[in-house]
Amino acid sequence: NAGVTQTPKFRILKIGQSMTLQCTQDMNHNYMYWYRQDPGMGLKLIYYSVGAGITDKGEVPNGYNVSRSTTEDFPLRLELAAPSQTSVYFCASSPKTSGGAPGELFFGEGSRLTVL
Amino acid sequence: KQEVTQIPAALSVPEGENLVLNCSFTDSAIYNLQWFRQDPGKGLTSLLLIQSSQREQTSGRLNASLDKSSGRSTLYIAASQPGDSATYLCAVLNAGGTSYGKLTFGQGTILTVHP
Repeated sequence: NAGVTQTPKFRILKIGQSMTLQCTQDMNHNYMYWYRQDPGMGLKLIYYSVGAGITDKGEVPNGYNVSRSTTEDFPLRLELAAPSQTSVYFCASSPKTSGGAPGELFFGEGSRLTVL
Repeated sequence: KQEVTQIPAALSVPEGENLVLNCSFTDSAIYNLQWFRQDPGKGLTSLLLIQSSQREQTSGRLNASLDKSSGRSTLYIAASQPGDSATYLCAVLNAGGTSYGKLTFGQGTILTVHP
């Protein structure tokens, strides 16, 4: 019962470096999301996907990129890391309901990123 | 733009008390509302999901209600235990406007239940 799996759990980057946060779900969910959580700021949506091959921007997409080549995987790429990207990143997935809207959301354990 | 507010921001109660957490949202065009629990350093765990057509959902000691027309939801926790200590977040799935199909989260209520 893996659910949503994120790697790595922790990472320290230098300013200007790039990296990819991996996210995999084994529940055959259509919808996948990337959020960042900053202290006192709640969760902000970075990017989301309604299915393989389809992605769209959320509230705070600048400095990030995503791809969705398969149903299972939804990696988040950080290009030219900046201190403002220091945060905890959560990947989530949800099934498509009979009405077409997303259903219950399932979260990964998070990836804590520090940019120095 | 949808805004979700949770009150109180923090709550400390003795073990055994019944308590209520509040969530309000500004746009009633929603598909559903979810309550989550987050333990320190962990991800979010879904507690209850209420569809927009429903009035309440129950799971064990938890009961969540939804009044879509007034933009309010409450999470009732009965007979609280120290293990209930966590941050509780609510989120609405938007059915209209520029946030269509996306979840908007509140900032959470930090609950501490002391023995």
